[in-house]
Amino acid sequence: SYDLTQPPSVSVSPGQTATITCSGDKLGDKYACWYQQKPGQSPVLVIYQDNKRPSGIPERFSGSNSGNTATLTISGTQAMDEADYYCQARDSSTVVFGGGTKLTVL
Amino acid sequence: EVQLVESGGGLVQPGGSLRLSCAASGFTFSSYWMHWVRQVPGKGLVWVSRINSDGSSTSYADSVKGRFTISRDNAKNTLYLQMNSLRAEDTAVYYCARESQLSPGSFDYWGQGTLVTVSS
Repeated sequence: SYDLTQPPSVSVSPGQTATITCSGDKLGDKYACWYQQKPGQSPVLVIYQDNKRPSGIPERFSGSNSGNTATLTISGTQAMDEADYYCQARDSSTVVFGGGTKLTVL
Repeated sequence: EVQLVESGGGLVQPGGSLRLSCAASGFTFSSYWMHWVRQVPGKGLVWVSRINSDGSSTSYADSVKGRFTISRDNAKNTLYLQMNSLRAEDTAVYYCARESQLSPGSFDYWGQGTLVTVSS
């Protein structure tokens, strides 16, 4: 089965840049997307097709995907960005999520 | 406004069955692939199953294959998940999610989730 690996936690100071990675075998050959989930809420798509933002997602969210690693970057991180972030890719006829990264803004 | 509303969760004994429903509104349900994703409280997201737009093709995670069945009624704008032979490890919040047409494989709308607890 296909696996996606994320760091369990990332910390960032307000206003700084947060970087969350997602690793998988030849992940760059697939499309990666990212979800934000705040406590008690459903996930929200923040990046699709590696680097595209859905309507309503702030420009400070960006993404890239190459080789074995997809990256979610949050520039000028705000307190409201504190959440769990999940990468996801499609593998054949199934879907795979990374284990999630807790982003702490402190 | 796109809405996905799950129902049918609850407490069930090991070995029992439960059917979840997801009522869709605000979009042409019959045009979209749909998925079920689950999450143990405090843990990560896990994909469970998907169905194509007309219901002719389905796919399952290995952990539920042979026990769960996804289906849909496009006339009723409703997605279902029939869960049989339930185990304690099936305890989770179950979300239905719409697959994006802009980006196949990603989920652009999610329901609020319904909690399934498998326990004696």
